[in-house]
Amino acid sequence: DQQVKQNSPSLSVQEGRISILNCDYTNSMFDYFLWYKKYPAEGPTFLISISSIKDKNEDGRFTVFLNKSAKHLSLHIVPSQPGDSAVYFCAAKAAGNKLTFGGGTRVLVKP
Amino acid sequence: GAGVSQSPSNKVTEKGKDVELRCDPISGHTALYWYRQRLGQGLEFLIYFQGNSAPDKSGLPSDRFSAERTGESVSTLTIQRTQQEDSAVYLCASSLDGSIGKAFFGQGTRLTVV
Repeated sequence: DQQVKQNSPSLSVQEGRISILNCDYTNSMFDYFLWYKKYPAEGPTFLISISSIKDKNEDGRFTVFLNKSAKHLSLHIVPSQPGDSAVYFCAAKAAGNKLTFGGGTRVLVKP
Repeated sequence: GAGVSQSPSNKVTEKGKDVELRCDPISGHTALYWYRQRLGQGLEFLIYFQGNSAPDKSGLPSDRFSAERTGESVSTLTIQRTQQEDSAVYLCASSLDGSIGKAFFGQGTRLTVV
């Protein structure tokens, strides 16, 4: 039972345009959501997070939107840069310290 | 070192053999996590340590898997009688105060069982 789903396994976008990554979850107990970025042969690195009491969090080129009623969150990257090419994981947590991850979306930013 | 260090980076083992994977967390980080990532899938939680105790080991897939942590530092993940389905990248992460929210991940150990 996948509690966190990233339905798009890959995304290709032109440099300078917006990348939109989507994530859906089923567990209504999740109260904190994170996005991680992963380059090949490296561990995931934290990108941005959002608490369930908010609906938007922005950090530079990265913005995360949370729609609790739809159990949906998205990550916007604007403008996209070639260095953003990586796999992006959505993750969620309920009480405690266990993160549940989605399957990842591979982003390719074309110059 | 400055980051989370895992060894070995790659391990090929024969089915049925035991393997031991090591994680050196960032100095001073009290919390340590093990995850694994099978090919084409997301990260799967295995176990969480706070200090030397493991308050959550609900993700260990079978009794062939065990982990320990000594001295609030190094952790080892042991897989006994390895099976082909154990092939994955095993990732370790640590965080300063127990919050997984901004844990730092190591580069992982790629385990291949042949």
